[in-house]
Amino acid sequence: QLQLQESGPGLVKPSETLSLTCTVSGGSISSSSYYWGWIRQPPGKGLEWIGSIYYSGSTYYNPSLKSRVTISVDTSKNQFSLKLSSVTAADTAVYYCARDLGTFGHPIDYWGQGTLVTVSS
Amino acid sequence: SYELTQPPSVSVSPGQTASITCSGDKLGDKYACWYQQKPGQSPVLVIYQDTKRPSGIPERFSGSNSGNTATLTISGTQAMDEADYYCQAWDSSTGGAFGTGTKVTVL
Repeated sequence: QLQLQESGPGLVKPSETLSLTCTVSGGSISSSSYYWGWIRQPPGKGLEWIGSIYYSGSTYYNPSLKSRVTISVDTSKNQFSLKLSSVTAADTAVYYCARDLGTFGHPIDYWGQGTLVTVSS
Repeated sequence: SYELTQPPSVSVSPGQTASITCSGDKLGDKYACWYQQKPGQSPVLVIYQDTKRPSGIPERFSGSNSGNTATLTISGTQAMDEADYYCQAWDSSTGGAFGTGTKVTVL
């Protein structure tokens, strides 16, 4: 059974960089066709797609966040990571890592449990 | 980015049919999928590729997609179906996009 687990600081100061890592177990991040992505959900609000990466390093980013987002992959550790720079209170959210099928509309079939990141001084 | 609009809320009586719409420009030309999210939990995929159900999803969940609108239908709605539902689609230029979300209340 595939499992994804987010890790990283739960509190980040304004203007700093948010960094999260997703560790994948029960399957290889190098499996062909799958993409690996990040989604966030501010408290009490809806889901927002942040971006996705293929094991080869090919990426897609949400245009509204593109200037601040970097997603990378480490196949040797079976992990992928998110960096979001210049954060503000508006970036406070539960951050999910996930696997998408990479085709037919990129549906997400596995999600991590999510981790709350609060931006505050 | 690509925008998808859903009604904020839908109410349904137990055993009746709930329909949730998702509107987006030429959405019918793309594949739509749907997620169910209960409080404090991660979303769960209930429909993908417009009409397909993942393993373990009850048959009462069905989907369609045509024109500018995708629809999730829950037939014979049960109390356990009370949750937030999100549509999602992929745009080749801008990547993924989620709908605004619909809260389904089973009265």
